[in-house]
Amino acid sequence: AQKITQTQPGMFVQEKEAVTLDCTYDTSDPSYGLFWYKQPSSGEMIFLIYQGSYDQQNATEGRYSLNFQKARKSANLVISASQLGDSAMYFCAMREGGGIQASGSRLTFGEGTQLTVNP
Amino acid sequence: DAGVIQSPRHEVTEMGQEVTLRCKPISGHNSLFWYRQTMMRGLELLIYFNNNVPIDDSGMPEDRFSAKMPNASFSTLKIQPSEPRDSAVYFCASSYTQINQETQYFGPGTRLLVL
Repeated sequence: AQKITQTQPGMFVQEKEAVTLDCTYDTSDPSYGLFWYKQPSSGEMIFLIYQGSYDQQNATEGRYSLNFQKARKSANLVISASQLGDSAMYFCAMREGGGIQASGSRLTFGEGTQLTVNP
Repeated sequence: DAGVIQSPRHEVTEMGQEVTLRCKPISGHNSLFWYRQTMMRGLELLIYFNNNVPIDDSGMPEDRFSAKMPNASFSTLKIQPSEPRDSAVYFCASSYTQINQETQYFGPGTRLLVL
């Protein structure tokens, strides 16, 4: 079974509008972390936002926020006021377990969503 | 602050040749990760080190791949002999591992093409 599922291969949004990128995850571990990364066409992987499984509040970082619904196992990324520079591939990733374990530091990535921001 | 540094950024080689990819993690980070990205398989973890010790190498495809971390500021990923199917982007990432929170910061990647 897929541990991270991103169901939207491609998304389009108008500049200055908000967009939500979906991510669902599957784990039985009570301690886990969820990450979003951005990969522009230049190829680098840029960390955007992190949500821990025990965090009570949804994470926010500037125009990025994470809509964390634990019971539904979803961790959607919301980008407000989209900009042309937001056009990129976006990856959701999960770390299971906490701290130093055999698999505790492994990140499992989804297949990504290609976001295009139109002027 | 300097981010994760990888070299070379691009490598073109012929099948059968040895390839060595290099990584300098962010100063102070104690975990280092090697990932491979391909269209077919997406992003996959090859190996990771904590305090210079390999913790999980279950993602290393086969014996042709080896990785070392001789000190806290340097790691190599070696492919010998290289094959066309090794063509991919190889990322190095580093983090400061602590209980329940660690963020991995990625280097710019090495684009490897094996002819």
